Amino acid sequence: GENVEQHPSTLSVQEGDSAVIKCTYSDSASNYFPWYKQELGKGPQLIIDIRSNVGEKKDQRIAVTLNKTAKHFSLHITETQPEDSAVYFCAASESGSARQLTFGSGTQLTVLP
Amino acid sequence: KAGVTQTPRYLIKTRGQQVTLSCSPISGHRSVSWYQQTPGQGLQFLFEYFSETQRNKGNFPGRFSGRQFSNSRSEMNVSTLELGDSALYLCASSLRAGDETQYFGPGTRLLVL
Repeated sequence: GENVEQHPSTLSVQEGDSAVIKCTYSDSASNYFPWYKQELGKGPQLIIDIRSNVGEKKDQRIAVTLNKTAKHFSLHITETQPEDSAVYFCAASESGSARQLTFGSGTQLTVLP
Repeated sequence: KAGVTQTPRYLIKTRGQQVTLSCSPISGHRSVSWYQQTPGQGLQFLFEYFSETQRNKGNFPGRFSGRQFSNSRSEMNVSTLELGDSALYLCASSLRAGDETQYFGPGTRLLVL
């Protein structure tokens, strides 16, 4: 089955700096890669996703890049703000009649004011 | 549009008991997936339901079961509870089976004593 590894497990940045979180996946059949943000006491919130036919996608301060050859994808957050502090999860899944997300272990991002 | 709702939000049970958790997907969404989140194992897929049929199942024992009703609402049941079943149980809804984009509810926090 699919295995997703995520690094780093914790990340502290100064407000205004950029943050980068990286994930690798094992199954070359995976073709959908979402990123979720989870705040304390809440469920994961989808913040951006990318499909395997696209190399990069951007939404305001958030961007995701995908390297299918190397089987890795990354989340980039620019101009970080204190409200960006949360746990971020990457995930991967394969197309099909049934959808199963395999998640990374999460990154605790802390933005210091 | 209302998001995914889960009830109850918190639950305390003792070993050997059984528990039923409920999930109402986003209006118009017909697929419901369940995930278990623990500090040790992270987010793990339990099962996916669409049109009242289980479409996919994760690697969990038979004590974990679920069902979906004609209005797309879903329940999951855990029988003969064990201490290790203490977790946050998350429900995610999507438009249809195999749909990539999944939206999560706030979860049900289950504590087994």
